[in-house]
Amino acid sequence: QVHLEESGPGLVKPSETLSLTCSVSGGSITDKISYWTWVRQPPGKGLEWIGNVFYTGTTYLKSSLKSRVTMSMDASTNQFSLTLTSVTAADTSVYYCARLFCSAECALDSWGQGMLVTVSS
Amino acid sequence: EVVMTQSPATLSVSPGERVTLSCRASQSVSINLAWYQQKPGQAPRLLIYGASTRATGIPARFSGSGSGTEFTLTISSLQSEDSAVYYCQQSKDWPPDTFGQGTKVEIK
Repeated sequence: QVHLEESGPGLVKPSETLSLTCSVSGGSITDKISYWTWVRQPPGKGLEWIGNVFYTGTTYLKSSLKSRVTMSMDASTNQFSLTLTSVTAADTSVYYCARLFCSAECALDSWGQGMLVTVSS
Repeated sequence: EVVMTQSPATLSVSPGERVTLSCRASQSVSINLAWYQQKPGQAPRLLIYGASTRATGIPARFSGSGSGTEFTLTISSLQSEDSAVYYCQQSKDWPPDTFGQGTKVEIK
């Protein structure tokens, strides 16, 4: 397992861009069996997978969010990031970064503590 | 897209009782199935991966079974600290973007 921590603004205005960073410690984001993942959870609701990024820079994004989402990684700082454009109130959620660890099977074995992002004017 | 369906939505159980949670996939995911536990105000925690392998540090009272489309998470003797929402997730169909809707386990 590794330690992950989300950072970024907790309040974003409607139509603006949400940007979050996840700092990873205890492991390298360039390892070849991990996919660095963002998951969100609207208040009182279930988990929604947003997407992940691999060490090659390849991203896999939820189809319904693909037009608004960008994910990237910075090996020099061992961080990866999420950008979500044109936000609305429906994007208000706790945002988690996590590691999808793929040995024989894949699972999200390490999670950040989560960060509440509220979309409001 | 693989749809994951969990049942029941809510379960109310007395301490010491056996608990069985169900997760069904809309198509075969082989054993590429994980279970997570989420307590209020906390991030999810991995319990089971590969349908039946306990993650590091998970008590032996938690067990997973199944393959293909039908999966079960069993808590052999419910403890008060097991009150939580439990989610399943498949990782066979790539990207692994589908979670079940969750089962809430309450303590009577």
